Amino acid sequence: SQQGEEDPQALSIQEGENATMNCSYKTSINNLQWYRQNSGRGLVHLILIRSNEREKHSGRLRVTLDTSKKSSSLLITASRAADTASYFCATATNTGFQKLVFGTGTRLLVSP
Amino acid sequence: EAEVAQSPRYKITEKSQAVAFWCDPISGHATLYWYRQILGQGPELLVQFQDESVVDDSQLPKDRFSAERLKGVDSTLKIQPAELGDSAMYLCASSQVGAGGFPQYFGPGTRLLVL
Repeated sequence: SQQGEEDPQALSIQEGENATMNCSYKTSINNLQWYRQNSGRGLVHLILIRSNEREKHSGRLRVTLDTSKKSSSLLITASRAADTASYFCATATNTGFQKLVFGTGTRLLVSP
Repeated sequence: EAEVAQSPRYKITEKSQAVAFWCDPISGHATLYWYRQILGQGPELLVQFQDESVVDDSQLPKDRFSAERLKGVDSTLKIQPAELGDSAMYLCASSQVGAGGFPQYFGPGTRLLVL
């Protein structure tokens, strides 16, 4: 089962523009993570935000978390063609060993 | 930089045959995960190991799938017999352990096609 739902499912932008992806989830979490997957390859961890944090930055990435709305957003600023990939949010619940539940993903296409 | 190794990268097999996938996690990572990813969807956890012990296999189809991590290092995932619906990407990941959570590091995956 997939807890997270990303929105939009697909996004097409020009190089230099900003890209925003949203993730909604259903249950209480310990942390939320964003991953990138290039076509047909393994996933790469981008950023982890804990439930007591509201915003984190990493280079051109900005992640926000609103636990009251059970939602998160990933902003990529000044997009590049190399950012073309699928982006997944994954939630880790509070109970037991950390188990990640991935969302359905947003497919981002950045055109030169 | 340390990486998670997986082999083979691609596997084509016929229905009812047995297949096995191997994973070598990042050295020192106590937790190892096997995921299945169907095209167009997010990864779904099949089994999670803490050292050599299984801590979650609730989504593993135990009638045909098995996984082991005998010495708490590398791991093998087996499917016997393979079915057409098993065609997917099988991903292995590893992570450290601790409160607050840690990132998972993924291998390149094994793409399985069952004919």
